[in-house]
Amino acid sequence: AQTVTQSQPEMSVQEAETVTLSCTYDTSESDYYLFWYKQPPSRQMILVIRQEAYKQQNATENRFSVNFQKAAKSFSLKISDSQLGDAAMYFCAYVAGGTSYGKLTFGQGTILTVHP
Amino acid sequence: EAQVTQNPRYLITVTGKKLTVTCSQNMNHEYMSWYRQDPGLGLRQIYYSMNVEVTDKGDVPEGYKVSRKEKRNFPLILESPSPNQTSLYFCASSPRTEFGNEQFFGPGTRLTVL
Repeated sequence: AQTVTQSQPEMSVQEAETVTLSCTYDTSESDYYLFWYKQPPSRQMILVIRQEAYKQQNATENRFSVNFQKAAKSFSLKISDSQLGDAAMYFCAYVAGGTSYGKLTFGQGTILTVHP
Repeated sequence: EAQVTQNPRYLITVTGKKLTVTCSQNMNHEYMSWYRQDPGLGLRQIYYSMNVEVTDKGDVPEGYKVSRKEKRNFPLILESPSPNQTSLYFCASSPRTEFGNEQFFGPGTRLTVL
């Protein structure tokens, strides 16, 4: 079974600084996607960024970028120039194709605090 | 406005009293799914549906039922709720064109079973 592990229950960063959230996963599949979702206090789940396993280039979305290490099964999220609005719970998630099509697995979440 | 709606948003009930949480999406998405969120466990998938009349178990289906009679609706049924089903529940949908598509989440339903 696929598993996703976020080993940092909580992280903090100063406004305008950079922070990296860690995620590791375990899978025997070769075709899959990885995601980072943000959950602010409003509880709404918002997609931050996604990465296809076949793409070697790391995905970026403005201040958000990932470090995808396929061999190490690692998928970290880097937030640059942190803003107060980045404070939220962040979830790493995984989905594969094939017989697992449709099954989405989430990590435990990391609470990010941004200090002014 | 494209959205996923859930009702009710908050519900307090007692053990054994059947309840239904509704989920509806207006984006014509084929795929819909239910998750529960618990502290320290993240989100765990309960059931998902690839299309009308097609449903499959996720990781934690025990104690839940679903049905997909229409494309837009995917209700979650707890026939005999127990306190361990106290949780925050999310419904989500996505187009089925690619398995890595973004999932669009509803606002969540906070359920308390006494």
